[in-house]
Amino acid sequence: DIQMTQSPSSVSASVGDRVTISCRASQGISSWLAWYQQKPGKAPKFLIYAASSLQSGVPSRFSGSGSGTDFTLTISSLQPEDFATYYCQQANSLPWTFGQGTKVEIK
Amino acid sequence: QVQLQESGPGLVKPSETLSLTCTVSGDSISSYYWSWIRQPPGEGLEWIGYISYSGSTSYNPSLKSRVTISVDTSKNRFSLKLSSVTAADTAVYYCARGAGTYFQHWGQGTLVTVSS
Repeated sequence: DIQMTQSPSSVSASVGDRVTISCRASQGISSWLAWYQQKPGKAPKFLIYAASSLQSGVPSRFSGSGSGTDFTLTISSLQPEDFATYYCQQANSLPWTFGQGTKVEIK
Repeated sequence: QVQLQESGPGLVKPSETLSLTCTVSGDSISSYYWSWIRQPPGEGLEWIGYISYSGSTSYNPSLKSRVTISVDTSKNRFSLKLSSVTAADTAVYYCARGAGTYFQHWGQGTLVTVSS
């Protein structure tokens, strides 16, 4: 299985801050990576696919980059509704696997 | 807009079989890939398996010996069976629709507790 490792596990930030979350794959996955946002008690929400393509309806302050083994999710200006846990997911090979999550908390 | 809704018992006894159904509205289950994903309380996400529009299945090797995913096209729903459950199978179970690789639409999730 491909292991996905996110860092940091949590980050404290203020509204308006730029936030960057990293995701590293245990082997190359080309650009087969997605990002999800999960709020407490809710299902994950699909944000980004193919490492950098924004899902329809997702605000442009979210962006993704990377290929191979190293990927980044960036929130350019954190908004109150962005406080949540973010997960990466590799879709290069079965079984699909997720990172352990990064919690974005209010500073 | 596609909607998915999980249903099934919230409490299952150890060694028994967990059975859940995902009812799909707003889309035909004869298209796309339909997955089950679970999340133990306070933990991360684990993909369980999928059934495709053609009826083919793929399961996570960690659960493969205990998992069956099936589809009922007449009722536009698909199902999960997980046998010989233990407390480690306690989780929120989500159904999701994808195009084969990503999970674009999710159900709200249902908590299944394994306990006697």
